[in-house]
Amino acid sequence: GIQVEQSPPDLILQEGANSTLRCNFSDSVNNLQWFHQNPWGQLINLFYIPSGTKQNGRLSATTVATERYSLLYISSSQTTDSGVYFCAVVASGTYKYIFGTGTRLKVLA
Amino acid sequence: NAGVTQTPKFRILKIGQSMTLQCTQDMNHNYMYWYRQDPGMGLKLIYYSVGAGITDKGEVPNGYNVSRSTTEDFPLRLELAAPSQTSVYFCASSPSPLHEQYFGPGTRLTVT
Repeated sequence: GIQVEQSPPDLILQEGANSTLRCNFSDSVNNLQWFHQNPWGQLINLFYIPSGTKQNGRLSATTVATERYSLLYISSSQTTDSGVYFCAVVASGTYKYIFGTGTRLKVLA
Repeated sequence: NAGVTQTPKFRILKIGQSMTLQCTQDMNHNYMYWYRQDPGMGLKLIYYSVGAGITDKGEVPNGYNVSRSTTEDFPLRLELAAPSQTSVYFCASSPSPLHEQYFGPGTRLTVT
C-alpha cells in the first residue's frame, strides 16, 4: 500500500519563526489533506490540497502531485500553533485515507 | 448543523466486555470512517463505509465490527475488549474520497 512519511518528526521554534513541514507519498493520490491536532486532541482541517497552492492567513500549502510531495508553510509562528501536524492521502483507485506519521511542533514564547 | 458527533467522550472497559461507539453526522455524507490513534502515533483506519449498507475493512479491522443502516449513523462495535484496544477513536465523514473529511471530537477508551 501507499506509504506516507512526514518530516521533520519533531520541531521546536521560537515564537515568530517560520517553518516548512514536508509530506512525501509513495504513489499517486486523488486527495491530500493537512490537519492540525491541538494539545486537546482535536483534529482541525487546515487544507484540502490534492494539487496546487493554497493560503489561509499565516499558513500556506503546496502539493506537487507529479513529484509526490506536499509542503505546509507556517509563518510568524505563535504558541497556539503547537501540536501535531498530519497529512492524509487517498491513493488513486482507493477510498481509504492513509495518515502520515506526523510532525510534532512546539512553539516557545 | 452539528457536523460529526461521537458518544461517549470517555469510557473505561474491563477485559472481555463489549461496547458500541456511536458516530452520527448531519451533513448527508455518503462516506464515513473509523480511525484509532494510539499514544504518540498517527491515525489508522479501522473500517469505512461508502454508503448505507456498504462497509469495508481498513488497515486494522481485527477485533471490531461496524454496520451502516442509515446515512447518518456508523457505529463501531468492540465485542471482546482487550488492552491493545486502549486508544482514542475518531469518526469522520466526507461527501466522497475526493473531498475533505470532517472529524468528530473522539472517544477515549481505556481497557483494563
